[in-house]
Amino acid sequence: DAGVTQSPTHLIKTRGQQVTLRCSPISGHKSVSWYQQVLGQGPQFIFQYYEKEERGRGNFPDRFSARQFPNYSSELNVNALLLGDSALYLCASSFNLFEQYFGPGTRLTVT
Amino acid sequence: AQTVTQSQPEMSVQEAETVTLSCTYDTSESDYYLFWYKQPPSRQMILVIRQEAYKQQNATENRFSVNFQKAAKSFSLKISDSQLGDAAMYFCAYTGSPTTGNQFYFGTGTSLTVIP
Repeated sequence: DAGVTQSPTHLIKTRGQQVTLRCSPISGHKSVSWYQQVLGQGPQFIFQYYEKEERGRGNFPDRFSARQFPNYSSELNVNALLLGDSALYLCASSFNLFEQYFGPGTRLTVT
Repeated sequence: AQTVTQSQPEMSVQEAETVTLSCTYDTSESDYYLFWYKQPPSRQMILVIRQEAYKQQNATENRFSVNFQKAAKSFSLKISDSQLGDAAMYFCAYTGSPTTGNQFYFGTGTSLTVIP
């Protein structure tokens, strides 16, 4: 079975631009969570979606938004990019809401 | 708020030896789950082991085992017979009951070096 997939692998954007990151969960998993991992730190929770509804939101500004589609894939959108948004963005899927399986991540660089 | 603390930024171990990584957490919940994740240089986070707070028995997965001390809010990971492939960042993580929404909280990680 395929694991969690994320696209793109790498992304370079300019300050003020908008970016969309994509995630496909493991087949059968209905929950998707998004994390931001700054170099040298642990992942920080951004959003969790289950059955297309937002179940949780971390301490991130409204520039960050997400959605989950009927096929349980998900998109994370970040508007008005700042240099501090440069990070590895991780997606994790879950079948039972408490055991999460992570994708390889998208490396976002904001210049 | 829940917090997870890993006080060892770096650890090293000789191949075939045993190493213990420390983790403490703070919570007021009684029902929760604890995890150790491994993140190799290729960066994909891999689940190593899971512990349910209601279980008194420590979890074990092959060479990996935990020492779960609920009263002390301590959750350490022991790696036995260390192998070169164990070299990675190790993150301790906490999540509460799924019925109340399960945001994951991660520690800052411990970088493990395995010396041949």
